[in-house]
Amino acid sequence: GENVEQHPSTLSVQEGDSAVIKCTYSDSASNYFPWYKQELGKRPQLIIDIRSNVGEKKDQRIAVTLNKTAKHFSLHITETQPEDSAVYFCAASIWDFGNEKLTFGTGTRLTIIP
Amino acid sequence: DSGVTQTPKHLITATGQRVTLRCSPRSGDLSVYWYQQSLDQGLQFLIQYYNGEERAKGNILERFSAQQFPDLHSELNLSSLELGDSALYFCASGMKGDSNQPQHFGDGTRLSIL
Repeated sequence: GENVEQHPSTLSVQEGDSAVIKCTYSDSASNYFPWYKQELGKRPQLIIDIRSNVGEKKDQRIAVTLNKTAKHFSLHITETQPEDSAVYFCAASIWDFGNEKLTFGTGTRLTIIP
Repeated sequence: DSGVTQTPKHLITATGQRVTLRCSPRSGDLSVYWYQQSLDQGLQFLIQYYNGEERAKGNILERFSAQQFPDLHSELNLSSLELGDSALYFCASGMKGDSNQPQHFGDGTRLSIL
């Protein structure tokens, strides 16, 4: 089955600086890669996702890049703000009609230092 | 608000007991996914239902079972509860008709076994 590794497990960044979280996946058939943000005690919230036919996707301060050959994808947050502090999870799945199983990474605890 | 409703929000019970967690998906979503998140752990996929049928299975214990009803709500049944079953249980929904949709999570049920 799919295995997703996520690094680093913790990340502290000065407010205004950029943060990068990296994930690798094992199953070359995976074609859908979402990122979720989870604040303490809250539900995971989808912040951005990318499909395998796209190399990069941006949404304001957040961007995701995908390297299918190397089987890794990364989350980039620019101009970080205190409200970006949370745990971020990457995930991978085979995007197939009616049958989808997300495999999550182990999470990155991001702390923004004011 | 994700549109996914989970009840109850909190559940406290004793070892050996049985509980039922309920999930109502977002309007139009046909798939329901169940996840377990233990303290400081990532999200472990348990099971997926699509339009009433089981579609994918993850690391779900034999003591756990689930079903999706004709109105598309789903229930996760946990029996012979053990201390290690204490966790946050999330439901997510996705899949509108024949269109793949990202998974959106409910607020979770926090299960505490005493």
